Amino acid sequence: DSGVTQTPKHLITATGQRVTLRCSPRSGDLSVYWYQQSLDQGLQFLIQYYNGEERAKGNILERFSAQQFPDLHSELNLSSLELGDSALYFCASSQGTTNTGELFFGEGSRLTVL
Amino acid sequence: AQSVTQLDSHVSVSEGTPVLLRCNYSSSYSPSLFWYVQHPNKGLQLLLKYTSAATLVKGINGFEAEFKKSETSFHLTKPSAHMSDAAEYFCVVRTGGSYIPTFGRGTSLIVHP
Repeated sequence: DSGVTQTPKHLITATGQRVTLRCSPRSGDLSVYWYQQSLDQGLQFLIQYYNGEERAKGNILERFSAQQFPDLHSELNLSSLELGDSALYFCASSQGTTNTGELFFGEGSRLTVL
Repeated sequence: AQSVTQLDSHVSVSEGTPVLLRCNYSSSYSPSLFWYVQHPNKGLQLLLKYTSAATLVKGINGFEAEFKKSETSFHLTKPSAHMSDAAEYFCVVRTGGSYIPTFGRGTSLIVHP
């Protein structure tokens, strides 16, 4: 058990809908990362937050947004969903932002858009 | 800039034989390198990491990796494969330039009885 909790584990929804994925980082970790994993794109970095502030942005679509709350949990909001958004979404956490720290991953939220 | 290339998308071995999963990296700074494993329907678990200390790094479950700067490689090895090693393996680079970990495309390890 990594200590990172993601909910829901599975989500099935229709095109055009909006969903929210939730992540609770390990106790003491200030940094949260969101990744999207799909068969054709592999693991793609979406966005990082550190202690409530956006720190880095990757290949995140404008339809997607995220935030980190004062209690350090994070939410990833996906709107106007398309079939191609079907993927496994991972949250990871780390203590800080240095390059030597490893990330601890949750078990992911599998999103299926029909 | 940083990037990582996993040279094999699939590696097939027999149980009890050695495992070699290859990874090459590119980095403008001194990198930190990691190997993660992902079992089906599970999250990613850290196997081992290199952060500029000893170049031969030992990890969990008998895996180890050697950092070779001259070859820009960080290959993962295990002397004897076990059925439970069947999984997806990811090589990851992280440098001072961006601090955001970059993942390779993954290598699927298949272990035959």
